[in-house]
Amino acid sequence: GQQLNQSPQSMFIQEGEDVSMNCTSSSIFNTWLWYKQEPGEGPVLLIALYKAGELTSNGRLTAQFGITRKDSFLNISASIPSDVGIYFCAGIHTGGAQKLVFGQGTRLTINP
Amino acid sequence: NAGVTQTPKFQVLKTGQSMTLQCAQDMNHEYMSWYRQDPGMGLRLIHYSVGAGITDQGEVPNGYNVSRSTTEDFPLRLLSAAPSQTSVYFCASRSATRQGRYEQYFGPGTRLTVT
Repeated sequence: GQQLNQSPQSMFIQEGEDVSMNCTSSSIFNTWLWYKQEPGEGPVLLIALYKAGELTSNGRLTAQFGITRKDSFLNISASIPSDVGIYFCAGIHTGGAQKLVFGQGTRLTINP
Repeated sequence: NAGVTQTPKFQVLKTGQSMTLQCAQDMNHEYMSWYRQDPGMGLRLIHYSVGAGITDQGEVPNGYNVSRSTTEDFPLRLLSAAPSQTSVYFCASRSATRQGRYEQYFGPGTRLTVT
């Protein structure tokens, strides 16, 4: 099925560094969702975006809905060890069955 | 609020056995869905439902059945388990009618091994 292009696929950073990841698509979405998944757990919803240009924060996390409606960005500031996990983006098209389309995930590893 | 719950958390089956994975949500969400997650394949949609009595196929429906008799429950049935169905299964739910807001929540998953 269709997948979003999510990058980078993996990141290895030092504790305290900022993190940026993004998702792009060739088609337009009316909703972007960002999830975090830890080993052995289900994806947990972090941020939901509904309007082009929207910028939303959740603690040290900030996500933006791209103005073209074809991309979205997630930033994590001042990373800490508990930020380790896989981050997924997901988009929902306008109309139709409104199924989610997922990115392949960004695996974040933090060196203390 | 329990959110989305799934049982069992772990299951081992022999090839040819059948079983039902249970999923329930207490958020009065209309839309429920089942995904499987395999290494390198991401999350793939198996079946989904937009309300009680209504189900439809996703990307990978073969070998699975679903039914939706109530808003709260959405069980996934494996008819005759095969090793290719070894995977982690996630149930999810979201509101389908709240205008413009489609926050989807996932359950904790069922890890299934078929030998």
